[in-house]
Amino acid sequence: KAGVTQTPRYLIKTRGQQVTLSCSPISGHRSVSWYQQTPGQGLQFLFEYFSETQRNKGNFPGRFSGRQFSNSRSEMNVSTLELGDSALYLCASSLMLGGSAGEQFFGPGTRLTVL
Amino acid sequence: QQQVKQSPQSLIVQKGGISIINCAYENTAFDYFPWYQQFPGKGPALLIAIRPDVSEKKEGRFTISFNKSAKQFSLHIMDSQPGDSATYFCAAITSGGSYIPTFGRGTSLIVHP
Repeated sequence: KAGVTQTPRYLIKTRGQQVTLSCSPISGHRSVSWYQQTPGQGLQFLFEYFSETQRNKGNFPGRFSGRQFSNSRSEMNVSTLELGDSALYLCASSLMLGGSAGEQFFGPGTRLTVL
Repeated sequence: QQQVKQSPQSLIVQKGGISIINCAYENTAFDYFPWYQQFPGKGPALLIAIRPDVSEKKEGRFTISFNKSAKQFSLHIMDSQPGDSATYFCAAITSGGSYIPTFGRGTSLIVHP
């Protein structure tokens, strides 16, 4: 069974631009969560989508948004990029919503650099 | 405010030794405590997890010890191997309706052969 895939793997943008990242979960998984990983703040939860609806949200500004499609694939969008948005963005999928929280499978991440 | 404090930040052990990583949390609503292993260029992978109704869980060379009253939990890696060299993250999660996972800052483990 294929794992979680994320595209693109690397991305360079400039301040003020917007970016869209894509995540394809493991087949059959309905929950997709997004995380931001930085050396300074560590791993931080952005949001979780289940059945095309955002179910949980971390403490990030509204510039960070996402959506999930009927095939469970998810996209994350960051508008008006700031230098501090440079990070590794990780997507994780699981069978169930949050309750079996630890049983998540992470993708390799998208490395976003904002210049 | 950091809700999960992980220590040490880095750890060097010799092959065959015991690696110990500690985490402390503040929010008593947390009810699920997983540990993740992350290799360079890869996403984190679930290693082992525990719920607060047990004090210890062992899977192979990996053991979680949990102290509910002290709000602390730790990961023990027995017979550490060079292949265990990775970054380890603890997490504390409130499951159920409001799923907001909180992660420790990570521990970089190096096991010398």
